[in-house]
Amino acid sequence: GNSVTQMEGPVTLSEEAFLTINCTYTATGYPSLFWYVQYPGEGLQLLLKATKADDKGSNKGFEATYRKETTSFHLEKGSVQVSDSAVYFCALVEGSFGNEKLTFGTGTRLTIIP
Amino acid sequence: GAGVSQSPSNKVTEKGKDVELRCDPISGHTALYWYRQRLGQGLEFLIYFQGNSAPDKSGLPSDRFSAERTGESVSTLTIQRTQQEDSAVYLCASSLVAGGSQETQYFGPGTRLLVL
Repeated sequence: GNSVTQMEGPVTLSEEAFLTINCTYTATGYPSLFWYVQYPGEGLQLLLKATKADDKGSNKGFEATYRKETTSFHLEKGSVQVSDSAVYFCALVEGSFGNEKLTFGTGTRLTIIP
Repeated sequence: GAGVSQSPSNKVTEKGKDVELRCDPISGHTALYWYRQRLGQGLEFLIYFQGNSAPDKSGLPSDRFSAERTGESVSTLTIQRTQQEDSAVYLCASSLVAGGSQETQYFGPGTRLLVL
């Protein structure tokens, strides 16, 4: 079956530090890959996505590249801010019709200190 | 327009009682999903509705869990004879269509269920 493994947290960084949160996946088909973010007290929201190999998703200074050869979708940001403190979830949807449910990683809690 | 809404936002119940959780998807979204997020764990898929097709119930953890959807609108997740391990945040999501893996799912704020 499909699965997502992401870097365990919690992760604590200083403001303006470089961020990487690792994510690798196992899928039987050709999945689309997503990063969702959950800010404190808020619902889950889509941060970025990539739907095919070598695509790069980007949003709010975050980037992730779909690497089929390494089955990875690592999340990066060059300079984090306190407002980036949240829980980040890597997820996939396997490509076949009728199998559109999201498979999530366990989440990585990120705390940015000023 | 309005996003996905869920009610109640919080629910405290006693072990053995039944609970109903409601989800109103984004208008026009044909696909609706329920997920569960237990404390310290990732999100688990529960059930998925797409239009008038038979729902995908493969994620329901036991026969105490059931869900219905009225057409392409509101959905209700029912948990009968609740147990303490049912305590979790129940999240609903909807997407425009379920025609493959590219559709973004939009999540509601969740219902936090606590079973005493």
